[in-house]
Amino acid sequence: NAGVTQTPKFRVLKTGQSMTLLCAQDMNHEYMYWYRQDPGMGLRLIHYSVGEGTTAKGEVPDGYNVSRLKKQNFLLGLESAAPSQTSVYFCASRGTGANVLTFGAGSRLTVL
Amino acid sequence: GDSVTQMEGPVTLSEEAFLTINCTYTATGYPSLFWYVQYPGEGLQLLLKATKADDKGSNKGFEATYRKETTSFHLEKGSVQVSDSAVYFCALSVMLYNTDKLIFGTGTRLQVFP
Repeated sequence: NAGVTQTPKFRVLKTGQSMTLLCAQDMNHEYMYWYRQDPGMGLRLIHYSVGEGTTAKGEVPDGYNVSRLKKQNFLLGLESAAPSQTSVYFCASRGTGANVLTFGAGSRLTVL
Repeated sequence: GDSVTQMEGPVTLSEEAFLTINCTYTATGYPSLFWYVQYPGEGLQLLLKATKADDKGSNKGFEATYRKETTSFHLEKGSVQVSDSAVYFCALSVMLYNTDKLIFGTGTRLQVFP
């Protein structure tokens, strides 16, 4: 069982470059989430989706955009990367009626 | 607002020692409470949970009891192993618009030495 798969696992960007992180889940989950993990700050919610075609802002949405064109995929985009976006990004999903999240293994992004 | 506070790490223990990681929360209503564990190089995975006051969650020798009177959900294990070395996150679940949202603590790193 693949669960939640994130690509890429590592990426180095220069300030101002753009990129997209892909999250794919094979569990037919309705809800999907993007978090960032920073030292001393735990996990903070960037954006989330409650179903195909829907997205919503979390705690720290600025500088990020998301799309959920297909139920199984949730994309996180950085249009113009900044050093403050250096972080480890985690995608998670859950099914309807469940309150436990399944996480991906993370994507480490460094912005120089 | 809703929040989770957990003890700072790292917590360093010898194998077979007793473990306590403190977690307290602030929330409106009646949240569900969770402990997630993150092993090196991996994503978070659920360790245990409790959905109402006085519930005890348990898994892999770890336990935590939902204490409404003290707003706490402390994680305990009677005898830790080297393989328990990881980062542990306390979290609570609250409603945000039309979905549950998890609020995480900052994480506590546990290091267990032989």
